[in-house]
Amino acid sequence: KNEVEQSPQNLTAQEGEFITINCSYSVGISALHWLQQHPGGGIVSLFMLSSGKKKHGRLIATINIQEKHSSLHITASHPRDSAVYICAVNWGGSEKLVFGKGTKLTVNP
Amino acid sequence: DTEVTQTPKHLVMGMTNKKSLKCEQHMGHRAMYWYKQKAKKPPELMFVYSYEKLSINESVPSRFSPECPNSSLLNLHLHALQPEDSALYLCASSQTGQGRATEAFFGQGTRLTVV
Repeated sequence: KNEVEQSPQNLTAQEGEFITINCSYSVGISALHWLQQHPGGGIVSLFMLSSGKKKHGRLIATINIQEKHSSLHITASHPRDSAVYICAVNWGGSEKLVFGKGTKLTVNP
Repeated sequence: DTEVTQTPKHLVMGMTNKKSLKCEQHMGHRAMYWYKQKAKKPPELMFVYSYEKLSINESVPSRFSPECPNSSLLNLHLHALQPEDSALYLCASSQTGQGRATEAFFGQGTRLTVV
């Protein structure tokens, strides 16, 4: 069964803390995406990965293809980082995205 | 321009109404998508258009009718909806996959309420 599992489901942090959100998937993929969704709806693409590591500002995403696992890290977290973070994958050569259930992050000042 | 624009942002419609959701992008993307998202759930794929042709229909009821009039526009025509169809409808676009994954750009969504 093709599955995408995220952990934790909910995460509360204090401003300034280092945050890690994890994503595991069950079978081989062609790419993994990290997405951010704020209350009110719109989804923003943060990263698309097929190997290694990417960094953008305070955000870092890593992927281990052998272990079928990816992590999203946020350094020096800020209340504006509060959002739902969603992991999604493309299986094989498909354009279809399969989504994890999301991690709701709350960063308190 | 890296935006996907959806209109309207909010829509309330009766079960006998006909309405349309619109989505527009000017990034030259040739794949466009409709997703449905219920509260506190991940998005669910409804349709994929690739080069203006319907390539994926995830067994969506016929009361939802997609249309791709050109490479920049995607519509979702709604007719005889049910209250359980109330949700956030998200449009996305990407460079066409053609066997490879590409980054998806999402719109802000249309929040639909069926009364």
